[in-house]
Amino acid sequence: EAGVTQSPTHLIKTRGQQATLRCSPISGHTSVYWYQQALGLGLQFLLWYDEGEERNRGNFPPRFSGRQFPNYSSELNVNALELEDSALYLCASSDFVSRAGKQYFGPGTRLTVT
Amino acid sequence: AQSVSQHNHHVILSEAASLELGCNYSYGGTVNLFWYVQYPGQHLQLLLKYFSGDPLVKGIKGFEAEFIKSKFSFNLRKPSVQWSDTAEYFCAVMGGGYQKVTFGTGTKLQVIP
Repeated sequence: EAGVTQSPTHLIKTRGQQATLRCSPISGHTSVYWYQQALGLGLQFLLWYDEGEERNRGNFPPRFSGRQFPNYSSELNVNALELEDSALYLCASSDFVSRAGKQYFGPGTRLTVT
Repeated sequence: AQSVSQHNHHVILSEAASLELGCNYSYGGTVNLFWYVQYPGQHLQLLLKYFSGDPLVKGIKGFEAEFIKSKFSFNLRKPSVQWSDTAEYFCAVMGGGYQKVTFGTGTKLQVIP
C-alpha cells in the first residue's frame, strides 16, 4: 500500500512569492491534515480537510490556505511568503472510521524562504 | 482551546535505562491522546493511542503510556531503552468529537550504547 506522498521535496522561494505544496493521501483516506514543523516549535496544526471541505484550521493567517480535490488529494498555498514561513510542511491522512485518530504522515516538503 | 506541553526537550539515556517522557494537556472535555515517534530519516508514525477504557495503554516496541485524568497527563514509559529508540517523540491530544489534533513540541531522545 502506497503511503502519503508529498511534492515537491524541497522548495525555495523568495519573500513575497507564493508557494504551492501538494499531498496525496493513502488510498481510501478522506481526511488530509497539514502541519508546519518549524525549528523549536514542534508540529503546528494548519488545516484539516475531509470530504472536500475545510473542517478546522489552526492559528495561522489567511495567507495560508488550501483545498481538497475530489480524489482527496490536497494543496496547501502560502501567499506573500515571509522568512519565518521557512519550515518543514507535513501532510497526514486518516480514514473515515478513525477520523483524526490515527494519522499517517508523509515525508514533508521543506520550504525555504530567502 | 486545547494545548499540549512536553517538558523534556532533550533526553539522553544509556541503554537499559528506564524512560519516562512527560506530557500534560489542557482541554476541558473528553480527550483522545496519542504518542507519535519520528525515527531519524523516517516519517512520523503512531506509537500508541488512548481513546477510552483502560488508562494504561500499550504500544509498539515495548512502550506504554498511562492516562491520568486528574493530572491531565499522558506520560510515555519504557522499562529498558535500546539504542534503536533514539528518535523524537511527540505527544498529541484531540478534543472530543472531530477536533483538530494538537501536538506538543517534541522530545528528542538519544540513547547511548
